[in-house]
Amino acid sequence: GEDVEQSLFLSVREGDSSVINCTYTDSSSTYLYWYKQEPGAGLQLLTYIFSNMDMKQDQRLTVLLNKKDKHLSLRIADTQTGDSAIYFCAELPAGNMLTFGGGTRLMVKP
Amino acid sequence: DTEVTQTPKHLVMGMTNKKSLKCEQHMGHRAMYWYKQKAKKPPELMFVYSYEKLSINESVPSRFSPECPNSSLLNLHLHALQPEDSALYLCASSQDQGITEAFFGQGTRLTVV
Repeated sequence: GEDVEQSLFLSVREGDSSVINCTYTDSSSTYLYWYKQEPGAGLQLLTYIFSNMDMKQDQRLTVLLNKKDKHLSLRIADTQTGDSAIYFCAELPAGNMLTFGGGTRLMVKP
Repeated sequence: DTEVTQTPKHLVMGMTNKKSLKCEQHMGHRAMYWYKQKAKKPPELMFVYSYEKLSINESVPSRFSPECPNSSLLNLHLHALQPEDSALYLCASSQDQGITEAFFGQGTRLTVV
């Protein structure tokens, strides 16, 4: 995860929006992903964005990509307690393997 | 069907035991992966199989031995493990190696005693 960085922790109130940020280093990355991991479970692919896109919206999730700054964000609207989990961003450099960030633990307070 | 199924969900083994982890997918994916995840850390890649052939071994100790019997199955054979090998072992698959998104199984929680 050394090439992909995320803040460790985010706490929000139920109903608020959450924004989880990620910076990556490999400009050849064709896809960038967000995975969700609940305690004791595997990784669930939430959404992804192709590198030629700036934004992708999928229900409560909005992904923003700033290729110039190599910055990726995931916005969760109307955050619920069930959204509490660890969120990993991951880049997929051309011809290479997924590289994960360290994960951001999202805590949603009722 | 976008499922990757791993068995068992939990495994406790002694350092002299031999055990196997199993992974199955029926999405027609040609690449399958083993990852190791320690608590509060991201997954670390161990092995990649592409078209049933071992493509990448990330310098994993020989006490971990992968096997791909067919395009739907991936095993990880364990022998003479150490307590520090205790972790969540995740299997994943993707349509092709390193090109598209990977789908992960729920993992096997391994404890070595």
